[in-house]
Amino acid sequence: KNEVEQSPQNLTAQEGEFITINCSYSVGISALHWLQQHPGGGIVSLFMLSSGKKKHGRLIATINIQEKHSSLHITASHPRDSAVYICAVRLTHSWGKLQFGAGTQVVVTP
Amino acid sequence: DVKVTQSSRYLVKRTGEKVFLECVQDMDHENMFWYRQDPGLGLRLIYFSYDVKMKEKGDIPEGYSVSREKKERFSLILESASTNQTSMYLCASLAYDSDLYGYTFGSGTRLTVV
Repeated sequence: KNEVEQSPQNLTAQEGEFITINCSYSVGISALHWLQQHPGGGIVSLFMLSSGKKKHGRLIATINIQEKHSSLHITASHPRDSAVYICAVRLTHSWGKLQFGAGTQVVVTP
Repeated sequence: DVKVTQSSRYLVKRTGEKVFLECVQDMDHENMFWYRQDPGLGLRLIYFSYDVKMKEKGDIPEGYSVSREKKERFSLILESASTNQTSMYLCASLAYDSDLYGYTFGSGTRLTVV
């Protein structure tokens, strides 16, 4: 069983819609990361969270440490947001190693 | 901006060849990682290094070795390439004392072993 579970696996939205991706984990972590991967492979780090909420442009990430749950929200979605979004947790005492969720494929149609 | 550069975007190698994948970062980061990414399996850690000449096995080290002779360079070596090592390989770096910027990933090397 994967210790990092993401949902949904796939998501299609119309331009302008609000999108939520969820991530649950079952291990002790020092931080949680949200990553974005576009076709072609390159991965960009969007957020690193250890508590609370962060916002960058139209992206919002939240984490609830007690419930071991995080969400990534995309407001006013746009076709350029189409990508795979990956939740990854940094395990405690692990030299910074990450454990990854399976990713959520997001497609935003015009 | 921190840059992590992987030497090749695409590589095609023959079974049995020794393959070197190079990764260079320009921000004096202590920790560097090699991952592979496969459909349905996601990203998996092959090896990581937390300092020059220091290395630790990840979850799937079999068939691979690494070298870190200088802080900025972390090389992944496929001793004798096999077809089941066809994959996307991603390098990443992380500053040990900084959570501010998170990880920086390279753009990936898509390796095909024929």
